[in-house]
Amino acid sequence: AQSVTQPDIHITVSEGASLELRCNYSYGATPYLFWYVQSPGQGLQLLLKYFSGDTLVQGIKGFEAEFKRSQSSFNLRKPSVHWSDAAEYFCAVGRNDMRFGAGTRLTVKP
Amino acid sequence: NAGVTQTPKFQVLKTGQSMTLQCAQDMNHNSMYWYRQDPGMGLRLIYYSASEGTTDKGEVPNGYNVSRLNKREFSLRLESAAPSQTSVYFCASIGQASGANVLTFGAGSRLTVL
Repeated sequence: AQSVTQPDIHITVSEGASLELRCNYSYGATPYLFWYVQSPGQGLQLLLKYFSGDTLVQGIKGFEAEFKRSQSSFNLRKPSVHWSDAAEYFCAVGRNDMRFGAGTRLTVKP
Repeated sequence: NAGVTQTPKFQVLKTGQSMTLQCAQDMNHNSMYWYRQDPGMGLRLIYYSASEGTTDKGEVPNGYNVSRLNKREFSLRLESAAPSQTSVYFCASIGQASGANVLTFGAGSRLTVL
């Protein structure tokens, strides 16, 4: 069965600093991979997705993620974090049976 | 275009009471899902329905039942609520976006079981 691991429960970065959120997955076939963001009290918004092709995918709000099959990873990056990026981030894997990681909460220091 | 609509948004139950969470989507999606979200646990899949007339268990189905009433509607029922079912519940459906399945979520339903 597929599973997703987000090793970092909570990350704090300074505004303007770079960010990398880690995601490792287990999946039997070529995965569909996703990153979602959830602001407090809100629903989930799709940041980006990977299903095939170029392993570096661009998303909304300046985020990107790189699929590395050999490492079973799909890490999310942003070169310069803004205060408005403070939220919880979820990695997800699957096709019809979509599974989520436990999430990483991002705090942005002024 | 409403997307995915869940009702109710908030509900308080006593242990042993029953209730049904309703979900409807107007995007003509085939697949629909129910997740629960708990602090530190992320979203866990309760049940899903890949198409009208089919339902399958997810990671945490115990204590829940579902009905795919038609293509638009997918309800989640708690027959005898327990405090462990206190959670935020999200309904979602999948549609094709650039060739990949992308989940569209409802706004969530916060359930408290006393």
